Amino acid sequence: DAGVTQSPTHLIKTRGQQVTLRCSPKSGHDTVSWYQQALGQGPQFIFQYYEEEERQRGNFPDRFSGHQFPNYSSELNVNALLLGDSALYLCASSLGGYNEQFFGPGTRLTVL
Amino acid sequence: GNSVTQMEGPVTLSEEAFLTINCTYTATGYPSLFWYVQYPGEGLQLLLKATKADDKGSNKGFEATYRKETTSFHLEKGSVQVSDSAVYFCALSRKSGGGADGLTFGKGTHLIIQP
Repeated sequence: DAGVTQSPTHLIKTRGQQVTLRCSPKSGHDTVSWYQQALGQGPQFIFQYYEEEERQRGNFPDRFSGHQFPNYSSELNVNALLLGDSALYLCASSLGGYNEQFFGPGTRLTVL
Repeated sequence: GNSVTQMEGPVTLSEEAFLTINCTYTATGYPSLFWYVQYPGEGLQLLLKATKADDKGSNKGFEATYRKETTSFHLEKGSVQVSDSAVYFCALSRKSGGGADGLTFGKGTHLIIQP
Protein backbone atom coordinates (compact mmCIF):
# COMPACT_ATOMS: atom_id res chain seq x y z
CA ASP A 1 0.00 0.00 0.00
CA ALA A 2 1.64 3.23 -1.21
CA GLY A 3 -0.31 5.45 1.15
CA VAL A 4 -1.20 8.99 0.17
CA THR A 5 1.09 10.43 -2.50
CA GLN A 6 1.47 14.04 -3.62
CA SER A 7 3.23 15.76 -6.47
CA PRO A 8 5.30 17.72 -6.94
CA THR A 9 7.41 17.76 -3.77
CA HIS A 10 8.51 21.36 -4.18
CA LEU A 11 7.34 24.18 -6.39
CA ILE A 12 8.45 27.77 -6.91
CA LYS A 13 6.11 30.28 -8.52
CA THR A 14 5.88 34.04 -8.86
CA ARG A 15 3.06 36.31 -7.77
CA GLY A 16 0.05 36.26 -10.07
CA GLN A 17 0.78 32.83 -11.48
CA GLN A 18 -1.43 29.77 -11.18
CA VAL A 19 -0.47 26.41 -9.70
CA THR A 20 -1.90 22.87 -9.68
CA LEU A 21 -1.05 20.33 -6.99
CA ARG A 22 -1.92 16.65 -7.22
CA CYS A 23 -2.87 13.95 -4.76
CA SER A 24 -3.52 10.22 -4.94
CA PRO A 25 -5.40 8.82 -1.97
CA LYS A 26 -4.59 5.72 0.03
CA SER A 27 -5.91 2.57 -1.60
CA GLY A 28 -9.59 2.04 -0.79
CA HIS A 29 -10.21 5.62 0.29
CA ASP A 30 -12.83 7.75 -1.48
CA THR A 31 -12.57 11.12 0.28
CA VAL A 32 -9.80 13.68 -0.16
CA SER A 33 -9.20 16.76 1.98
CA TRP A 34 -6.70 19.55 1.39
CA TYR A 35 -4.93 21.61 4.06
CA GLN A 36 -2.59 24.59 4.06
CA GLN A 37 0.17 24.64 6.68
CA ALA A 38 2.04 27.90 7.05
CA LEU A 39 5.46 27.79 8.67
CA GLY A 40 5.20 27.18 12.41
CA GLN A 41 1.40 26.81 12.33
CA GLY A 42 -1.13 24.00 12.40
CA PRO A 43 -2.77 22.91 9.15
CA GLN A 44 -5.82 24.87 8.03
CA PHE A 45 -8.64 23.05 6.25
CA ILE A 46 -9.19 24.21 2.65
CA PHE A 47 -11.86 21.83 1.32
CA GLN A 48 -12.95 18.22 1.05
CA TYR A 49 -14.02 16.20 -2.00
CA TYR A 50 -16.29 13.19 -2.02
CA GLU A 51 -17.91 11.56 -5.05
CA GLU A 52 -16.25 14.16 -7.29
CA GLU A 53 -17.97 17.06 -5.54
CA GLU A 54 -16.80 19.63 -3.02
CA ARG A 55 -18.48 18.47 0.16
CA GLN A 56 -17.17 21.02 2.63
CA ARG A 57 -15.07 24.16 2.48
CA GLY A 58 -12.98 26.05 4.99
CA ASN A 59 -12.39 29.78 5.12
CA PHE A 60 -10.41 30.17 1.88
CA PRO A 61 -11.12 32.48 -1.07
CA ASP A 62 -12.41 31.34 -4.44
CA ARG A 63 -8.87 31.52 -5.81
CA PHE A 64 -8.56 28.08 -4.27
CA SER A 65 -10.42 25.44 -6.24
CA GLY A 66 -10.24 21.72 -6.65
CA HIS A 67 -11.33 18.67 -8.48
CA GLN A 68 -11.75 14.99 -7.78
CA PHE A 69 -11.51 12.40 -10.52
CA PRO A 70 -13.41 9.11 -10.88
CA ASN A 71 -10.37 7.22 -9.53
CA TYR A 72 -10.64 9.41 -6.37
CA SER A 73 -7.40 11.31 -7.04
CA SER A 74 -7.60 15.05 -6.63
CA GLU A 75 -6.12 18.36 -7.71
CA LEU A 76 -5.82 21.65 -5.86
CA ASN A 77 -5.64 24.77 -8.02
CA VAL A 78 -4.63 28.18 -6.79
CA ASN A 79 -5.04 31.21 -9.06
CA ALA A 80 -3.47 34.67 -8.84
CA LEU A 81 -0.84 33.54 -6.35
CA LEU A 82 0.05 35.84 -3.46
CA LEU A 83 3.19 35.82 -1.33
CA GLY A 84 1.01 34.65 1.56
CA ASP A 85 0.13 31.47 -0.31
CA SER A 86 3.63 30.16 0.40
CA ALA A 87 3.09 27.11 2.58
CA LEU A 88 3.14 23.33 2.82
CA TYR A 89 0.01 21.94 1.16
CA LEU A 90 -1.13 18.67 2.63
CA CYS A 91 -3.54 16.18 1.15
CA ALA A 92 -5.36 13.69 3.36
CA SER A 93 -7.57 10.77 2.44
CA SER A 94 -10.25 8.91 4.35
CA LEU A 95 -13.02 6.41 3.79
CA GLY A 96 -16.54 7.75 3.56
CA GLY A 97 -18.03 8.30 6.94
CA TYR A 98 -14.89 7.46 8.92
CA ASN A 99 -13.10 10.57 10.11
CA GLU A 100 -9.60 9.18 10.50
CA GLN A 101 -7.53 10.93 7.87
CA PHE A 102 -4.20 9.80 6.46
CA PHE A 103 -1.83 12.47 5.26
CA GLY A 104 0.59 12.67 2.38
CA PRO A 105 4.09 14.18 2.69
CA GLY A 106 2.92 17.52 1.28
CA THR A 107 3.93 19.91 -1.48
CA ARG A 108 6.08 22.87 -0.47
CA LEU A 109 4.95 25.92 -2.46
CA THR A 110 7.10 29.03 -2.50
CA VAL A 111 5.72 32.20 -4.07
CA LEU A 112 8.30 34.86 -4.95
CA GLY B 1 -17.11 27.40 15.45
CA ASN B 2 -14.75 24.58 16.31
CA SER B 3 -11.38 25.35 17.86
CA VAL B 4 -8.45 23.56 19.49
CA THR B 5 -6.06 25.10 21.98
CA GLN B 6 -2.82 23.40 22.95
CA MET B 7 0.09 24.44 25.09
CA GLU B 8 2.72 26.61 23.49
CA GLY B 9 6.16 25.20 22.89
CA PRO B 10 8.86 24.42 22.65
CA VAL B 11 8.73 21.87 25.44
CA THR B 12 12.20 20.62 26.38
CA LEU B 13 12.59 17.47 28.48
CA SER B 14 15.34 15.06 29.39
CA GLU B 15 15.20 11.47 28.17
CA GLU B 16 12.99 9.22 30.37
CA ALA B 17 11.03 12.20 31.74
CA PHE B 18 7.23 12.20 31.99
CA LEU B 19 5.43 14.10 29.24
CA THR B 20 2.14 15.97 29.28
CA ILE B 21 0.95 18.18 26.42
CA ASN B 22 -2.33 19.90 27.23
CA CYS B 23 -5.14 20.17 24.69
CA THR B 24 -8.62 21.63 25.11
CA TYR B 25 -11.33 22.02 22.50
CA THR B 26 -14.52 23.85 21.64
CA ALA B 27 -17.02 22.11 19.41
CA THR B 28 -20.71 21.49 19.00
CA GLY B 29 -21.97 17.95 19.29
CA TYR B 30 -19.64 15.05 19.93
CA PRO B 31 -16.40 15.41 18.00
CA SER B 32 -13.72 12.79 17.51
CA LEU B 33 -10.34 13.78 18.87
CA PHE B 34 -6.89 13.07 17.48
CA TRP B 35 -3.21 13.55 18.14
CA TYR B 36 -1.01 13.81 15.08
CA VAL B 37 2.81 13.93 15.05
CA GLN B 38 5.02 15.63 12.48
CA TYR B 39 8.69 14.67 12.31
CA PRO B 40 11.12 17.14 10.67
CA GLY B 41 10.59 17.36 6.93
CA GLU B 42 7.67 14.94 6.93
CA GLY B 43 3.89 15.03 6.72
CA LEU B 44 1.51 14.33 9.58
CA GLN B 45 1.11 10.87 11.08
CA LEU B 46 -1.85 9.83 13.19
CA LEU B 47 -0.58 9.01 16.68
CA LEU B 48 -3.84 8.13 18.44
CA LYS B 49 -7.54 8.89 18.48
CA ALA B 50 -10.70 8.72 20.60
CA THR B 51 -14.21 8.89 19.24
CA LYS B 52 -16.40 9.23 22.34
CA ALA B 53 -16.30 10.46 25.90
CA ASP B 54 -14.04 8.51 28.31
CA ASP B 55 -12.36 6.66 25.44
CA LYS B 56 -8.59 6.30 25.84
CA GLY B 57 -6.45 6.34 22.74
CA SER B 58 -2.99 4.81 22.96
CA ASN B 59 -0.04 4.10 20.68
CA LYS B 60 3.75 3.77 21.05
CA GLY B 61 3.53 4.47 24.79
CA PHE B 62 1.49 7.66 24.30
CA GLU B 63 -2.00 7.95 25.81
CA ALA B 64 -4.83 10.48 25.81
CA THR B 65 -8.30 10.29 27.38
CA TYR B 66 -11.36 12.05 25.94
CA ARG B 67 -12.74 14.13 28.82
CA LYS B 68 -16.03 15.68 27.80
CA GLU B 69 -16.64 17.33 31.17
CA THR B 70 -13.42 19.34 30.85
CA THR B 71 -13.38 19.36 27.00
CA SER B 72 -9.80 18.10 27.11
CA PHE B 73 -7.62 15.49 25.41
CA HIS B 74 -4.19 15.77 27.04
CA LEU B 75 -1.32 13.73 25.60
CA GLU B 76 0.88 11.78 28.05
CA LYS B 77 3.86 9.47 27.94
CA GLY B 78 5.56 7.95 30.93
CA SER B 79 9.14 7.93 29.64
CA VAL B 80 10.11 9.92 26.56
CA GLN B 81 12.96 9.10 24.17
CA VAL B 82 15.10 11.29 21.95
CA SER B 83 13.24 9.81 18.98
CA ASP B 84 10.00 11.38 20.28
CA SER B 85 11.31 14.83 19.34
CA ALA B 86 8.76 16.22 16.89
CA VAL B 87 5.81 18.60 16.61
CA TYR B 88 2.57 17.29 18.09
CA PHE B 89 -0.85 18.50 16.91
CA CYS B 90 -4.17 18.04 18.67
CA ALA B 91 -7.16 17.98 16.31
CA LEU B 92 -10.89 17.38 16.19
CA SER B 93 -13.43 16.33 13.61
CA ARG B 94 -17.17 16.07 13.65
CA LYS B 95 -19.26 13.63 11.67
CA SER B 96 -22.04 15.28 9.71
CA GLY B 97 -24.26 14.26 6.83
CA GLY B 98 -22.81 10.76 6.69
CA GLY B 99 -19.28 12.02 6.19
CA ALA B 100 -16.61 13.58 8.31
CA ASP B 101 -15.74 17.25 8.61
CA GLY B 102 -12.32 18.55 7.83
CA LEU B 103 -9.98 18.45 10.79
CA THR B 104 -9.53 21.48 13.02
CA PHE B 105 -5.98 21.61 14.36
CA GLY B 106 -4.25 23.32 17.22
CA LYS B 107 -1.10 25.34 16.51
CA GLY B 108 1.20 22.48 17.46
CA THR B 109 3.64 21.86 20.29
CA HIS B 110 7.32 21.39 19.47
CA LEU B 111 8.79 18.72 21.74
CA ILE B 112 12.55 18.51 22.20
CA ILE B 113 14.02 15.55 24.10
CA GLN B 114 17.61 15.90 25.25
CA PRO B 115 19.78 12.82 25.92
